[in-house]
Amino acid sequence: DGGITQSPKYLFRKEGQNVTLSCEQNLNHDAMYWYRQDPGQGLRLIYYSQIVNDFQKGDIAEGYSVSREKKESFPLTVTSAQKNPTAFYLCASSRQGGTEAFFGQGTRLTVV
Amino acid sequence: AQRVTQPEKLLSVFKGAPVELKCNYSYSGSPELFWYVQYSRQRLQLLLRHISRESIKGFTADLNKGETSFHLKKPFAQEEDSAMYYCALSDRNQFYFGTGTSLTVIP
Repeated sequence: DGGITQSPKYLFRKEGQNVTLSCEQNLNHDAMYWYRQDPGQGLRLIYYSQIVNDFQKGDIAEGYSVSREKKESFPLTVTSAQKNPTAFYLCASSRQGGTEAFFGQGTRLTVV
Repeated sequence: AQRVTQPEKLLSVFKGAPVELKCNYSYSGSPELFWYVQYSRQRLQLLLRHISRESIKGFTADLNKGETSFHLKKPFAQEEDSAMYYCALSDRNQFYFGTGTSLTVIP
């Protein structure tokens, strides 16, 4: 199973705290992506990275930050500036050129 | 701007009936289009892509550039087809997803 792993599966945080979601892949993919999945809104792109040490904002980057120090890893930090952080977060990876994207199992973040 | 539209949030059909999930897109170049499926408690996975012209699990999708559509079709729906379906477009840099259609096949 896998190739792309997200952890943890469930995460609870208090309002005002930053939290980091992990995403690791062993598929040797150059490109990695973070999406937020909300009911009725589909998948919305937060950040994406085509190569190590480079990343681009997606449609809803405000309140989020990422890093890409290693090819295998693309962690997402949900900061206290994100107004509505409770959501299901999906990480994906693909070969360069926008071929098939492989998804992780997702992390459900609940901020209380 | 590239966008993907799935007009139906919910779709219910009876087992054995034909099913069509609609997808329209806007893109200024030559898009690469996909259908992804998410079964209950499973990760999102690729169902099919337009360039491969395959039939997967009885589903087909034809790219109609004139109508900018990529509708997903199956002649006889099965109960195991009940899932969330997302149409997606790639510009070779990132993927754009529609809002999804939840398909329920009624026994």
